[in-house]
Amino acid sequence: DQQVKQNSPSLSVQEGRISILNCDYTNSMFDYFLWYKKYPAEGPTFLISISSIKDKNEDGRFTVFLNKSAKHLSLHIVPSQPGDSAVYFCTPSTGGGNKLTFGTGTQLKVEL
Amino acid sequence: NAGVTQTPKFQVLKTGQSMTLQCAQDMNHEYMSWYRQDPGMGLRLIHYSVGAGITDQGEVPNGYNVSRSTTEDFPLRLLSAAPSQTSVYFCASTYKDGPNEQFFGPGTRLTVL
Repeated sequence: DQQVKQNSPSLSVQEGRISILNCDYTNSMFDYFLWYKKYPAEGPTFLISISSIKDKNEDGRFTVFLNKSAKHLSLHIVPSQPGDSAVYFCTPSTGGGNKLTFGTGTQLKVEL
Repeated sequence: NAGVTQTPKFQVLKTGQSMTLQCAQDMNHEYMSWYRQDPGMGLRLIHYSVGAGITDQGEVPNGYNVSRSTTEDFPLRLLSAAPSQTSVYFCASTYKDGPNEQFFGPGTRLTVL
């Protein structure tokens, strides 16, 4: 039973355009939602997060939107850059970021 | 600050062998955890610890043991390796009281033949 679904295994966008990565979850107990970015042969690195009491959080080129009623999360990257090419994991948690539940990831490729 | 370090980076074992994956952090984080990542999947929580002397099971604990004798170290033991334990293992740490993001080590790639 997958609690976190990232239905797009891959996404390709042109440099300078917007990248939108989507995530759906089923567990209503999740209280903190994080996005991690992962390059090959490295550990995941934290990108941006949002608390369940908010519906939007912005950090530079990255914005996360949360729709609790739909149990849907999205990450917007604008403008996209080649260095953004990586696997992105939607990672809800309980306990404020401790017990993470990872989605299967979306491989983003930003092309010149 | 070295952050979260893991050793070894690569390891090949034969079925039935035992080994310990090492994890250390120098950020004085109370919370440490182990995850495994299999092809096409996200990371799954194996074990975690909220402080020295305290450990608990995650989603996939079978076949693994942990202990936490110091704040800095959180080793993961495979008592009798099986091919199903072939995976990439990541250690992570953070402060106990959230909300916080976890910091991940570079991973250990383990192959069990």
